[in-house]
Amino acid sequence: KQEVTQIPAALSVPEGENLVLNCSFTDSAIYNLQWFRQDPGKGLTSLLLIQSSQREQTSGRLNASLDKSSGRSTLYIAASQPGDSATYLCAVRTSGTYKYIFGTGTRLKVLA
Amino acid sequence: NAGVTQTPKFQVLKTGQSMTLQCAQDMNHNSMYWYRQDPGMGLRLIYYSASEGTTDKGEVPNGYNVSRLNKREFSLRLESAAPSQTSVYFCASILGTGLLRNNTDTQYFGPGTRLTVL
Repeated sequence: KQEVTQIPAALSVPEGENLVLNCSFTDSAIYNLQWFRQDPGKGLTSLLLIQSSQREQTSGRLNASLDKSSGRSTLYIAASQPGDSATYLCAVRTSGTYKYIFGTGTRLKVLA
Repeated sequence: NAGVTQTPKFQVLKTGQSMTLQCAQDMNHNSMYWYRQDPGMGLRLIYYSASEGTTDKGEVPNGYNVSRLNKREFSLRLESAAPSQTSVYFCASILGTGLLRNNTDTQYFGPGTRLTVL
């Protein structure tokens, strides 16, 4: 059974810092992995999706990497800004299924 | 292009009452999903529909039923609401062509329905 873990649960950093969010999964037979952002009281917004055959994806200041063999993905945020404050979630779709399993998220606060 | 829409936005029920949460997407997506989000537990999959005409159970299906009315609409029904079903419910969809393309496998979410069962 696929399990997805995100550590730390919460993170507070000063503005301008580069930071890394972690996502671990137990079953390496994945179809894809997706990173989302959620603002308080809102729905989820997709940030990056990595297919099983890819090692990384980039969008602006965001870079997501995937290492299936170790069961890990990282979301790198460069030059963090107060507007990056939100909860970041990763979701894993296991091969052969349409199901997505979510981690519990990392709540990020970027201090001005 | 409204994306994924959900109604209602808020709802308060008494234990034992029934209700249907509505979800619609206008992106011609094939697969649709219902999740619930509870504090400290992340999102958990209730039911999903891989394509029009099919539905399958997710992690927490007990107490819920779904209907894929057509390609656009996917509804979630609570037949006899219980306080344990107090949660925020999200609907999501993907195009899902099976071609391993990033732009077709991205999951899009609605704004959510906040449900309280007293």
